[in-house]
Amino acid sequence: RKEVEQDPGPFNVPEGATVAFNCTYSNSASQSFFWYRQDCRKEPKLLMSVYSSGNEDGRFTAQLNRASQYISLLIRDSKLSDSATYLCVVNGPGGSYIPTFGRGTSLIVHP
Amino acid sequence: GAGVSQSPRYKVAKRGQDVALRCDPISGHVSLFWYQQALGQGPEFLTYFQNEAQLDKSGLPSDRFFAERPEGSVSTLKIQRTQQEDSAVYLCASSSPGMRGQETQYFGPGTRLLVL
Repeated sequence: RKEVEQDPGPFNVPEGATVAFNCTYSNSASQSFFWYRQDCRKEPKLLMSVYSSGNEDGRFTAQLNRASQYISLLIRDSKLSDSATYLCVVNGPGGSYIPTFGRGTSLIVHP
Repeated sequence: GAGVSQSPRYKVAKRGQDVALRCDPISGHVSLFWYQQALGQGPEFLTYFQNEAQLDKSGLPSDRFFAERPEGSVSTLKIQRTQQEDSAVYLCASSSPGMRGQETQYFGPGTRLLVL
């Protein structure tokens, strides 16, 4: 079992739709969690950190469920520009600096 | 401002050739990471530096891979006797000091390596 698992998709949604991705992690002692966005043939860029209390940034909401060991990303009112691969990142226990990336979930927003 | 830069952006090597990939992190960033990203996969950790110290190299796939950061700034990832399975995008990321494990990583554009 991989340490961080994501459904690769693609998720194909129309503009304006709400879409959610989950990411599961295997190490229950993991401390910090992030979502990165990666456009085709570009480098990953931080989208948002995921806090225990959940956090929201405009149309994006991230949540952490420690009991079930998953994090989620919700995108409301999808835009064409949201089309990208969304990477889940988990840092290890004890503030470990080694991030583990999921393989990413591909989102395609169509007109 | 200047971000993380990497060179070359593209590299075609013949099997058995040695290659050197360069990373210029954001000025002042203490931490530097190297990753390998295969097509359709997420980045896989290779190695980590804090200033000039290589604190973790557990992700390097074999002893053909070597990384250094002698002055705590620019880093070089060297691959000796390249094999076809080394073909991938090599990403470098840097981060500034912060609460450990919470630092945002800033990625360079990557070097696309193709080994023929």
